[in-house]
Amino acid sequence: EVQLVESGGGLIQPGGSLRLSCAASGFTVSSNYMSWVRQAPGKGLEWVSVIYSGGTTYYADSVKGRFTISRDNSKNTLYLQMNSLRAEDTAVYYCALLTRYCSGTSCYSYFDYWGQGTLVTVSS
Amino acid sequence: QSVLTQPPSVSGAPGQRVTISCTGSSSNIGAGYDVHWYQQLPGTAPKLLIYGNNNRPSGVPDRFSGSKSGTSASLAITGLQAEDEADYYCQSYDSSLSGSWVFGGGTKLTVL
Repeated sequence: EVQLVESGGGLIQPGGSLRLSCAASGFTVSSNYMSWVRQAPGKGLEWVSVIYSGGTTYYADSVKGRFTISRDNSKNTLYLQMNSLRAEDTAVYYCALLTRYCSGTSCYSYFDYWGQGTLVTVSS
Repeated sequence: QSVLTQPPSVSGAPGQRVTISCTGSSSNIGAGYDVHWYQQLPGTAPKLLIYGNNNRPSGVPDRFSGSKSGTSASLAITGLQAEDEADYYCQSYDSSLSGSWVFGGGTKLTVL
């Protein structure tokens, strides 16, 4: 059974740093596409970052240069290092396992499994 | 402002049929990228509802169906039930943004 458990959220001052963790079970993190998605209070979903099985990473423009996605294969855990935090980064952060599929010559992916989320509050 | 546009809210009585639209552009849905739908019950994480435009994961009732045409997609829910009251999000991929997965702003479904 696939399980994703996030941790590391909390209250942090603007300009501070925080590292989120996502412990996975039931599958191998390094063999899959993994992502972080966030949801500001009362708002919709926003994709944050992705790491491919090969290690390639991508970021939303809103966090590029400040956030870093990584994984620890020995711990089967995904991370999100968040630096220079701003008030607008306040959100519940979800880690998600993407399933990738191809149709013809095109390939797509969707967020198949989600963790329960961890709340990050950036405030002085 | 979300890349994909959804109505903020829809409502229907138990047993009725409702649809939720998701409008994109030539760089996402119109470019041929598949659309996926998620259901978020109050206070919980999103859950995959429809993938690949019109496919249901195991366990999702056949009351839920999806479709896609041109630059838009739709989620239809028939035989509305009280437990369907939730937020619904569409999601696709946008080629104008580097490696960007995009969501709609979400639609709140109220069962009257």
